[in-house]
Amino acid sequence: EAQVTQNPRYLITVTGKKLTVTCSQNMNHEYMSWYRQDPGLGLRQIYYSMNVEVTDKGDVPEGYKVSRKEKRNFPLILESPSPNQTSLYFCASRLRFNQPQHFGDGTRLSIL
Amino acid sequence: GESVGLHLPTLSVQEGDNSIINCAYSNSASDYFIWYKQESGKGPQFIIDIRSNMDKRQGQRVTVLLNKTVKHLSLQIAATQPGDSAVYFCAERTGGGADGLTFGKGTHLIIQP
Repeated sequence: EAQVTQNPRYLITVTGKKLTVTCSQNMNHEYMSWYRQDPGLGLRQIYYSMNVEVTDKGDVPEGYKVSRKEKRNFPLILESPSPNQTSLYFCASRLRFNQPQHFGDGTRLSIL
Repeated sequence: GESVGLHLPTLSVQEGDNSIINCAYSNSASDYFIWYKQESGKGPQFIIDIRSNMDKRQGQRVTVLLNKTVKHLSLQIAATQPGDSAVYFCAERTGGGADGLTFGKGTHLIIQP
């Protein structure tokens, strides 16, 4: 089944403790993105990647890192999480630029 | 003006009626538009898309209309069913060098029995 898989689905952690949210897609898509979703603000892009070893900032990149060492994986790294990064995070992938995204089911992060 | 906004945060319709969800966009350079459906606890799910060289596109029970003159996008759902209850987002892509979509904030569609 074609899908985007995120792990973990839920995480409660404390300020400053490094964490990684993994994202994997099995569709051989070139493009991958990370979004955060906050009430009243909608989906905002954090980082995106157009291919292996090619990443770029989205609209809200501060406090986040990403890597794209393999086509299928696109982890999101919070080196020193802070409470304002408490949010619902979505990973997405698509085959080409002007095609719809396929989203994962989300990761709910709570930073205390 | 607001880019990719939705006119109503909540829309309540009777089961079996048609639903129309509206979206306004402000960037006349946008060349690709998408509608997503997000059910509680899940990620956005692609419904239908339309490119700027089209005015209308139909899918199964859904139709998207694009009016470039007034920069307006709408999603019509025929014979609304309980399973259509969700938040619906429109999104636009400007077609420029930067990746990414600009999403609207969503309309919550509520189905009345």
